[in-house]
Amino acid sequence: AQKITQTQPGMFVQEKEAVTLDCTYDTSDPSYGLFWYKQPSSGEMIFLIYQGSYDQQNATEGRYSLNFQKARKSANLVISASQLGDSAMYFCAMRTNNAGNMLTFGGGTRLMVKP
Amino acid sequence: DGGITQSPKYLFRKEGQNVTLSCEQNLNHDAMYWYRQDPGQGLRLIYYSQIVNDFQKGDIAEGYSVSREKKESFPLTVTSAQKNPTAFYLCASILTATSTDTQYFGPGTRLTVL
Repeated sequence: AQKITQTQPGMFVQEKEAVTLDCTYDTSDPSYGLFWYKQPSSGEMIFLIYQGSYDQQNATEGRYSLNFQKARKSANLVISASQLGDSAMYFCAMRTNNAGNMLTFGGGTRLMVKP
Repeated sequence: DGGITQSPKYLFRKEGQNVTLSCEQNLNHDAMYWYRQDPGQGLRLIYYSQIVNDFQKGDIAEGYSVSREKKESFPLTVTSAQKNPTAFYLCASILTATSTDTQYFGPGTRLTVL
């Protein structure tokens, strides 16, 4: 069975500073993908970044980067130069090589950016 | 614009009533999904459909039903058998069930049982 764990229910960060959101996963499937989504108070799920299990380099998308440590089964999201608009819930999710392309989600981390 | 629409945005239901949540996409995606989100928690899969006229149960299908008569539409019915239906419901789609792309989400429907 697949499992995603996000151990930080809530975090504060000062505007313009970097922050790391933790995500650990568990799967026995050698082929998998890891996703991060942002959910503002409006409720929509916004895709941020993706890392494949066979990717050699850590994924980056603008101010978002993924610190992928395969041996430790962690896929932490790093947000650089935090902005007030980054305040939201953040979810880590995993897709394994399953029929149906289903995602398993973690419980989320609420990030609050202080001015 | 291409995307996923869900309606209504807010829905109120009396106990014992069935209600249907709409999900429509014009992305020409084959696979569609329904998730439930309770306050402060992650998303859990209710049902998914890989192609028209086919759908599979997810982790929490009890008390829900779906249909997939058209490629662009995947309505979810919350039946009276669902004991605690108050939640936020999100619909998603992806090009195919084997695609390595991300799932795209609709804006969600917030259901409240009175």
